[in-house]
Amino acid sequence: GAVVSQHPSWVICKSGTSVKIECRSLDFQATTMFWYRQFPKQSLMLMATSNEGSKATYEQGVEKDKFLINHASLTLSTLTVTSAHPEDSSFYICSARNIMNTEAFFGQGTRLTVV
Amino acid sequence: RKEVEQDPGPFNVPEGATVAFNCTYSNSASQSFFWYRQDCRKEPKLLMSVYSSGNEDGRFTAQLNRASQYISLLIRDSKLSDSATYLCVVALWAGNMLTFGGGTRLMVKP
Repeated sequence: GAVVSQHPSWVICKSGTSVKIECRSLDFQATTMFWYRQFPKQSLMLMATSNEGSKATYEQGVEKDKFLINHASLTLSTLTVTSAHPEDSSFYICSARNIMNTEAFFGQGTRLTVV
Repeated sequence: RKEVEQDPGPFNVPEGATVAFNCTYSNSASQSFFWYRQDCRKEPKLLMSVYSSGNEDGRFTAQLNRASQYISLLIRDSKLSDSATYLCVVALWAGNMLTFGGGTRLMVKP
């Protein structure tokens, strides 16, 4: 079964609205989670590293005020796309690593379409 | 130069063929290496870790050459179900973020 659950799996929103995506680790505690974005026919690109109890670390070129990350507990991180625009339409995937092993588990992904 | 580079393909092979994918990484301090498989519109899933001595899992064999900063994946006796994108993934250490290659697309034909 899934060990990282991401919700929603798809969302369509109007331009200018905000969308929140949740990522939960189901049977382990994740002090660190990662948020990726994947455009069609491209690879996953790391957007930010989410740290429980502290500020997220954003990759170069990713606007922290547009992509708000909250990691309030050891099992939940959220990504909020604020004032979404059509160019934000993409596949967003979260990931968490269980410190007991090296495997990274991915959420099911969220396909965001901004119209 | 990208941190992790792969030939995007696609590799079109008949069922039963043997196919090999290569990957190079730029950071010599990288410690952990993986091959992930991603089906269309799905999340990546771990195929296998890659160890310095090389490792095999059924029809899949992974090799690591630290001196050349090169990783390979060999698939023997290809099945239709092997059709997917194969992602080469590198991390600096066990807890570190993963860096993905662009992926190599494989299409196995009947």
